[in-house]
Amino acid sequence: AQSVSQHNHHVILSEAASLELGCNYSYGGTVNLFWYVQYPGQHLQLLLKYFSGDPLVKGIKGFEAEFIKSKFSFNLRKPSVQWSDTAEYFCAVNRVGGRRALTFGSGTRLQVQP
Amino acid sequence: SQTIHQWPATLVQPVGSPLSLECTVEGTSNPNLYWYRQAAGRGLQLLFYSVGIGQISSEVPQNLSASRPQDRQFILSSKKLLLSDSGFYLCAWKDQDYSNQPQHFGDGTRLSIL
Repeated sequence: AQSVSQHNHHVILSEAASLELGCNYSYGGTVNLFWYVQYPGQHLQLLLKYFSGDPLVKGIKGFEAEFIKSKFSFNLRKPSVQWSDTAEYFCAVNRVGGRRALTFGSGTRLQVQP
Repeated sequence: SQTIHQWPATLVQPVGSPLSLECTVEGTSNPNLYWYRQAAGRGLQLLFYSVGIGQISSEVPQNLSASRPQDRQFILSSKKLLLSDSGFYLCAWKDQDYSNQPQHFGDGTRLSIL
């Protein structure tokens, strides 16, 4: 069975700091990769996704993620965070050709201090 | 445009009582539908998914059941709630015809068992 690991459970940064959240998955086949964000009191929203092609994907609000197949990783990055980026971030994977339900990581709570 | 509605938003139930959470999708037909649970401090876990009316697949053995009586209606139920059923329940839909599309989530139901 596939699994997703997010090693940073709680990250605290100051505004303008750079961000990188780690995500690793375990599945040897072809996968689709996602990052979702959940702002306080709001529902899960898609931040960005990777299906194929350029392994560096751009998402909303200045976020990007890079798929490194050899490392089974899909790390999320942002060069300069803002206070409004405070949220919980979830990495998710589904198998191409499978039932397409998502397997989620345990989430990373990001706190940006002004 | 497509929308997804979940209700209630918050629910407090005693142990042993029944449960019914409802999810409806508008603006699309024949979607894949999913129920996830997010336990405190953990990521999202897939509970059930459905590819059509009356078609339910269960991912983990548990005290819950799901039904899809109509194309765009997905219900999560229990005959007798346990303390361990507490959590945040999310319904999601995905366009079945387009495999490489993300899932879209409802606002969730926070369930507390006393």
